[in-house]
Amino acid sequence: AQSVAQPEDQVNVAEGNPLTVKCTYSVSGNPYLFWYVQYPNRGLQFLLKYITGDNLVKGSYGFEAEFNKSQTSFHLKKPSALVSDSALYFCAAHTGRRALTFGSGTRLQVQP
Amino acid sequence: SQTIHQWPATLVQPVGSPLSLECTVEGTSNPNLYWYRQAAGRGLQLLFYSVGIGQISSEVPQNLSASRPQDRQFILSSKKLLLSDSGFYLCAWKLSGGYGYTFGSGTRLTVV
Repeated sequence: AQSVAQPEDQVNVAEGNPLTVKCTYSVSGNPYLFWYVQYPNRGLQFLLKYITGDNLVKGSYGFEAEFNKSQTSFHLKKPSALVSDSALYFCAAHTGRRALTFGSGTRLQVQP
Repeated sequence: SQTIHQWPATLVQPVGSPLSLECTVEGTSNPNLYWYRQAAGRGLQLLFYSVGIGQISSEVPQNLSASRPQDRQFILSSKKLLLSDSGFYLCAWKLSGGYGYTFGSGTRLTVV
């Protein structure tokens, strides 16, 4: 069975500081990993994905994520947070079968 | 370009009433289609997915059913709603064999 863990319910960071939202996964086979962002009462917006290749993946809005196979992690990062980055972030994984399995979500709060 | 539509955006229904939520995709053929439910603004639970017309896989046995009467149409239904059916319902699609999932804008269902 595949699972995705986001150990932090909420992450608080000051505007301009770097941010990290953590994600670890447990899947059989080669994982396909994703990050999505959700604003209140909206659908999920795609940020970035890792399929294969370079372990550092760059995505939308200045976000990036690093695939670490030995630690089974795919943490989301941004060098300088904006107040407008405040939202709910989901990590997800699948191995080509079934469908995406999501983490429980991490609420990012960026303080001005 | 491909687009995904979900309606209605919000719905308030009494306990015991029927439900029909519709999702359609435009600009593609033979997509994989998915229904997710998000409770209390957090994690997403896969409810159903479909890889073709009339083909439905159920992930969680419950008070809901899904149908795919046409290639790009995915319907979520219930004969009698329960209070516990309240939540935010998201439809998604991806190309068969592809990696990128695109989500609709969601339906907020409140059962009273």
